[in-house]
Amino acid sequence: QKEVEQDPGPLSVPEGAIVSLNCTYSNSAFQYFMWYRQYSRKGPELLMYTYSSGNKEDGRFTAQVDKSSKYISLFIRDSQPSDSATYLCAMSGTGANNLFFGTGTRLTVIP
Amino acid sequence: DTEVTQTPKHLVMGMTNKKSLKCEQHMGHRAMYWYKQKAKKPPELMFVYSYEKLSINESVPSRFSPECPNSSLLNLHLHALQPEDSALYLCASSQEPSGTTQYFGPGTRLTVL
Repeated sequence: QKEVEQDPGPLSVPEGAIVSLNCTYSNSAFQYFMWYRQYSRKGPELLMYTYSSGNKEDGRFTAQVDKSSKYISLFIRDSQPSDSATYLCAMSGTGANNLFFGTGTRLTVIP
Repeated sequence: DTEVTQTPKHLVMGMTNKKSLKCEQHMGHRAMYWYKQKAKKPPELMFVYSYEKLSINESVPSRFSPECPNSSLLNLHLHALQPEDSALYLCASSQEPSGTTQYFGPGTRLTVL
């Protein structure tokens, strides 16, 4: 079993839709949760960073962490064609250098 | 400013060449990382430098040799690479070696002929 599971998609939605991206994980020691956006042939760009459980909102993006279910989500409201990219979840534990990545979900927002 | 810069953007090399990838950050971060990313896969950790000392080597072949000349710079020296080493090489940095977010550079697209 992988440490982090993420549905690779691809996921296609019409412009303006609400997008839900999800990851599950098995290691209860994970405390730090991140979402990265990666455009084709570019480096990952940090979108959201959450410590432990709870919600965090930044503009059209909302990150949720449910540690009891070992489940994290990223919601994108009013999706735009410029949101078309691969979204990677990543997480790490206290005292650890390593980031554990999901496989990434490829999102296309259709105008 | 959360910028990590990498040079060159693209690199094509033969299997007998020696080349170097460079990474720079001026955020005062104390940890720097090299990752390798193949198409449609997540980044794979190669090396971690913590306070300018190599702290993690993820069993990377010796044809990849990292170097951290100072707290802002990270190099990856390449020698006798194989075609399967062709990938996007990403540098990242974080404020501390653990529990803080990693910021990635744009990557170097490496092709080994």
